[in-house]
Parts: sequence; structure tokens; C-alpha cells
Amino acid sequence: GQQLNQSPQSMFIQEGEDVSMNCTSSSIFNTWLWYKQDPGEGPVLLIALYKAGELTSNGRLTAQFGITRKDSFLNISASIPSDVGIYFCAGPAGGTSYGKLTFGQGTILTVHP
Amino acid sequence: GAVVSQHPSRVICKSGTSVKIECRSLDFQATTMFWYRQFPKQSLMLMATSNEGSKATYEQGVEKDKFLINHASLTLSTLTVTSAHPEDSSFYICSATPLAAVYNEQFFGPGTRLTVL
Repeated sequence: GQQLNQSPQSMFIQEGEDVSMNCTSSSIFNTWLWYKQDPGEGPVLLIALYKAGELTSNGRLTAQFGITRKDSFLNISASIPSDVGIYFCAGPAGGTSYGKLTFGQGTILTVHP
Repeated sequence: GAVVSQHPSRVICKSGTSVKIECRSLDFQATTMFWYRQFPKQSLMLMATSNEGSKATYEQGVEKDKFLINHASLTLSTLTVTSAHPEDSSFYICSATPLAAVYNEQFFGPGTRLTVL
């Protein structure tokens, strides 16, 4: 099945720094989704990308759908303490996996005040 | 919009008892609901896919008799962990895909922390 490789696995940054994380897949995706999970909560959809080359922003967050359709990145500018959490990329599992998503391993973000 | 609730948020039970977790889409109808399990600092592990009015589809390695899923309506799915044991302790999260979704977006509930003593 399709696999997503997400990196880095974890990041420790100072408040105010910019953050970048990315996801690559072994096959072509038609959609990329980025989620954030706060400790003890369910994931929340941050950004959805539907077209190759698409660049979409949501506040301090910017995500891009790679032209090859096999990668995506998420940037967070001017990080703040509440950005702490686990960030997941996800895409349709493909084939006959109706509606299922494949998730990356997650990037654990820690922001030091 | 696209709010999903789960109940209870946390539950502690004795070994051998059964626990039911509810997942509701509050402001939309869901064609499909999904149940995940998550261990600390790990990614989401899909357990099963639930469609209203039909039997759930379980992922490989997930015991269907252990994790009973009922999808009674377009807004409610339940997961029952039968004869729970300490190794079933985990964070269980449901998600739902709206009827109107075109790109398989899933909206997640807040999760249920299950602790089996």
C-alpha cells in the first residue's frame, strides 16, 4: 500500500522561529491533508491541498502540494508556544480503500518560550 | 462546522468488562466513520471503517469480535471493547467523512482514553 514518510520526527525550537516539515509518498497523491494534534486531543484539519503546485495559507501556516504529486511541505512562521503538538500529513489510501487515509508518522513539535 | 464528538472522554474499567464508546457527527451527516487507536507519540492506527447500515470493515490484525462496531445512523457510530484487558488500554479516536466530501477529508473526535485495570 501507499506509504508516507514524514520528517523530521521531532523538532525543538525557540519561540519566534520558523518551522518546516515535509512528507513524501511512494506513489502519486491527489490530495494532501495536514492535521495538528494537541496532547490528549483528536487531530484537527489545518490545511487541505487538492491540486499539484497549489500553495495554501492558513494564518501563519503555509502548505504546498508538490508538482510531482509525491510530496508536500508545511511551514509555520513565527512559532508560538501553542504551536506545540504533533503534526500529521495524510492522503487518500488509494485503490479500493474507500475513503481511508494514509498518515505520516508525525512530527512532534516543541516550542521553548 | 464539521464537529465530531466522542463520549466518554476517558474511562477506567476493570479487566473483563465491556466498554462502549460513542462517536457522533454533530452538524453533518457522515457516509463513513473510522475508528483509530493511538499509542503515545505514535501515529494513528486504523482499526476499522464503518458505514451506516452495513457491517464494518476491519483492518488486518484487528479482532472483530473484540472490537464491535455498530453504525446505527448517519450521525452515530459506536465501538464496544468487549472483555477488556490491560493491553486494550489506549487512546481511541473516531473520525467521520461528510456526505458532501469530495476529497476524503476526515474530521476527528476528541478521543477517548481507555484504561483497563
